[in-house]
Amino acid sequence: AQRVTQPEKLLSVFKGAPVELKCNYSYSGSPELFWYVQYSRQRLQLLLRHISRESIKGFTADLNKGETSFHLKKPFAQEEDSAMYYCALSRDSGGGADGLTFGKGTHLIIQP
Amino acid sequence: DGGITQSPKYLFRKEGQNVTLSCEQNLNHDAMYWYRQDPGQGLRLIYYSQIVNDFQKGDIAEGYSVSREKKESFPLTVTSAQKNPTAFYLCASRRRGAPYGYTFGSGTRLTVV
Repeated sequence: AQRVTQPEKLLSVFKGAPVELKCNYSYSGSPELFWYVQYSRQRLQLLLRHISRESIKGFTADLNKGETSFHLKKPFAQEEDSAMYYCALSRDSGGGADGLTFGKGTHLIIQP
Repeated sequence: DGGITQSPKYLFRKEGQNVTLSCEQNLNHDAMYWYRQDPGQGLRLIYYSQIVNDFQKGDIAEGYSVSREKKESFPLTVTSAQKNPTAFYLCASRRRGAPYGYTFGSGTRLTVV
C-alpha cells in the first residue's frame, strides 16, 4: 500500500532562516508527488509538483527515488510562509485521477 | 465566479441520523472527490467520481455513500453506520486531462452529538 510520511507535526523557524519540511513515501510504481499548502482561513491549494521541477514562492522540492523522499525547501523563510503543508502522492500514474494520498501534514510557524 | 461550493459550513446532527453534505462546482470539471480531514491525520479519501453516474470507493468508504447524477454535484451522505462521523469534510474537483489540477472547497465541519 502506498504511504506518505511527514515526520514533523510542527516546525518552528525564525524569519530568514532556511526551511526544510520532510516527506517520505512508499510506492511500488513510478511516483507522482506534490506539495499542498493551506494558509489560515484559506482553501487547500497546490504549491508545487515534482514533475514540473518548478520553484513557487521560493520553495523547491526534489524527488529522490533512492531515499524515497520529496522534501520541501526554502533558503530564507518569510512570515507569510506560516501555514499547514501537506505532501501528497498520486494514487494512479495518470496525474491523480484516482485521487491523492496525503501525509498528516506539518504546521510551519515562522517567528519574527 | 467559478469554484466549488460546500454547504453548510457547520453542521450538527444527533447520533444515529443520516446527514448529507453538499458539494457543487461550476468549473465544468469531470472528476470530483470527497476527503475527510481529522486533526493530526491529514486528508483521507472517502469516495471519488470521474464521470457522471459512476463512482469508486476510496480508502475509508465504510459508513458513507455518494451519488453523481449531475456533473456539477457530488453529495456525500454520512450514514449512522459511520462509527466516528465528527470531522472536517473537504470536496475537490479536477478537470480531465489536467493532471494535478485539483480545486478544493472550503469544507464542512460536521459534529455529531
